[in-house]
Amino acid sequence: EDQVTQSPEALRLQEGESSSLNCSYTVSGLRGLFWYRQDPGKGPEFLFTLYSAGEEKEKERLKATLTKKESFLHITAPKPEDSATYLCAVQVRGGSYIPTFGRGTSLIVHP
Amino acid sequence: EPEVTQTPSHQVTQMGQEVILRCVPISNHLYFYWYRQILGQKVEFLVSFYNNEISEKSEIFDDQFSVERPDGSNFTLKIRSTKLEDSAMYFCASSGTGGENYGYTFGSGTRLTVV
Repeated sequence: EDQVTQSPEALRLQEGESSSLNCSYTVSGLRGLFWYRQDPGKGPEFLFTLYSAGEEKEKERLKATLTKKESFLHITAPKPEDSATYLCAVQVRGGSYIPTFGRGTSLIVHP
Repeated sequence: EPEVTQTPSHQVTQMGQEVILRCVPISNHLYFYWYRQILGQKVEFLVSFYNNEISEKSEIFDDQFSVERPDGSNFTLKIRSTKLEDSAMYFCASSGTGGENYGYTFGSGTRLTVV
């Protein structure tokens, strides 16, 4: 069965303290992997799509990378406004176009 | 920036009542979706809609649920007879093309509370 696992479940950082969030997947074949940001009481906000191992995407302090088994979302010198839940979703090759979401990592950045 | 608009933001309903959740997707998008998120749990797919018909649905989307695009702008989710376990955030999303290479645009959600 296809599965998406995100770790850690929660992460607390000090402002400026860089770290990485992990999304590991066990799917029969990956069509695409998506990262979203979700603020409390809001809908997910699209960040990145990655398609193949070795691919990287960047946006401000965020950089997403992809291997054959997992993706990392690196946060460099985070600020309090980066506090949110970060969701990973995978789209399986040869199957539905509908991506399956992981449970997310809740990030809190303290000033 | 274009956005997906959902109304109401919060709905409280009695068990067994019908509710209609409303969404206005981005105007030039072609694909529409409903997702739900039970408190503390992951975002779950309900249904996708394209060309005025359901293109895909999950096991959650049973006969109690229906979707409709009554005009050129609105997209609705109806729950016929609500249950306590239907309490959740319901998100509408839209996208320009199938395959979703560019991700979905989500609305801010409707918090449904069934009492």
